[in-house]
Amino acid sequence: AQTVTQSQPEMSVQEAETVTLSCTYDTSESDYYLFWYKQPPSRQMILVIRQEAYKQQNATENRFSVNFQKAAKSFSLKISDSQLGDAAMYFCAYRSGISNFGNEKLTFGTGTRLTIIP
Amino acid sequence: GAVVSQHPSWVICKSGTSVKIECRSLDFQATTMFWYRQFPKQSLMLMATSNEGSKATYEQGVEKDKFLINHASLTLSTLTVTSAHPEDSSFYICSATDKNNQPQHFGDGTRLSIL
Repeated sequence: AQTVTQSQPEMSVQEAETVTLSCTYDTSESDYYLFWYKQPPSRQMILVIRQEAYKQQNATENRFSVNFQKAAKSFSLKISDSQLGDAAMYFCAYRSGISNFGNEKLTFGTGTRLTIIP
Repeated sequence: GAVVSQHPSWVICKSGTSVKIECRSLDFQATTMFWYRQFPKQSLMLMATSNEGSKATYEQGVEKDKFLINHASLTLSTLTVTSAHPEDSSFYICSATDKNNQPQHFGDGTRLSIL
């Protein structure tokens, strides 16, 4: 079974600075997807960024980028120029790349609460 | 982008009643839907996975007779908490994906409080 570990329960960063959230995972599969989701106080789950395991290039979405190290099974999220609206719980998630019923489910980490200091 | 609507957003009811939560995909066909439960300050816990027209697959430890899931169409799945008790109080959230294996899109969740 796959597992996702987020070792930082809480992180804080000064506004406009850069912060990196850690995520490691364990799997025996070679084809999979990794995601970062953001959950603000409203509790809505918002997709931040997605990475396909077969792609060597790290995904980027504006101020958000990942450092995907497949051999190390590491998938960290870097937030540049942090803004007050970035304050939220951030969840790392894993999904199998095999498209069979049931394999599309997400395995979530325990989350990291990010606080932005004005 | 893809939109998933979940209703109601908040419900309070007496112990012993049954509560139905709806999850709709508004602009895509959701071949697979997922139901999660989230306790305060914790991660999302998958309860069950359902395909349209098929019986749901429940995760270990989730009572299928307690949490009835129906996925009768490609745009609607329902979760019914039967004979709800205070320990069923929680935040329930659904998500949906289409046959093209796009990322799961989440509803806004339902806060369930059983008195």
